[in-house]
Amino acid sequence: SAVISQKPSRDICQRGTSLTIQCQVDSQVTMMFWYRQQPGQSLTLIATANQGSEATYESGFVIDKFPISRPNLTFSTLTVSNMSPEDSSIYLCSAADRYGPYEQYFGPGTRLTVT
Amino acid sequence: EDQVTQSPEALRLQEGESSSLNCSYTVSGLRGLFWYRQDPGKGPEFLFTLYSAGEEKEKERLKATLTKKESFLHITAPKPEDSATYLCAVQAPGTASKLTFGTGTRLQVTL
Repeated sequence: SAVISQKPSRDICQRGTSLTIQCQVDSQVTMMFWYRQQPGQSLTLIATANQGSEATYESGFVIDKFPISRPNLTFSTLTVSNMSPEDSSIYLCSAADRYGPYEQYFGPGTRLTVT
Repeated sequence: EDQVTQSPEALRLQEGESSSLNCSYTVSGLRGLFWYRQDPGKGPEFLFTLYSAGEEKEKERLKATLTKKESFLHITAPKPEDSATYLCAVQAPGTASKLTFGTGTRLQVTL
């Protein structure tokens, strides 16, 4: 199983600013994902981070708001842009093997508070 | 659209009191059903993958089972350290490994 770390673990940001979250995996993985978990709610997939190409976004999430980079097979970043209090949430990175087994392994999460 | 419903939302057990958590799902074909455990302030920890109806998997005091419409996570003689939120997720074929999660069951085990 992959071991995943995220930075920062938490942050408090002002409205209108941007925050970049880093995700590092201890081994090469074919697939990386970004999720949002709002208080008391389920995990919601934001996008799939594709190595060497643009990320694939889920309905309701757009690249201008959540730009994603994936420069190699072990690293990805998620930026939350022009933040508002509604963006306060936990952001989670996960990794999986495209060719199976298909379980995803998650990082510890980044707790973001926007004031 | 894939949907996952977990029940109950919260469950309080005494140590040693066995019970089951339910995960009902609607998906266009099922590649896999996944159970995770999530402790407060941490990311989900993978527990099990089930691929087809009738399949069962066990780990310590936990046993997961799967039918065509639902999955159960049976907890036998739980201990306080089993207290956590248990999440269920489904994956459909051709969705590039996308997981659809339920809202979880918060389990508290008391002495």
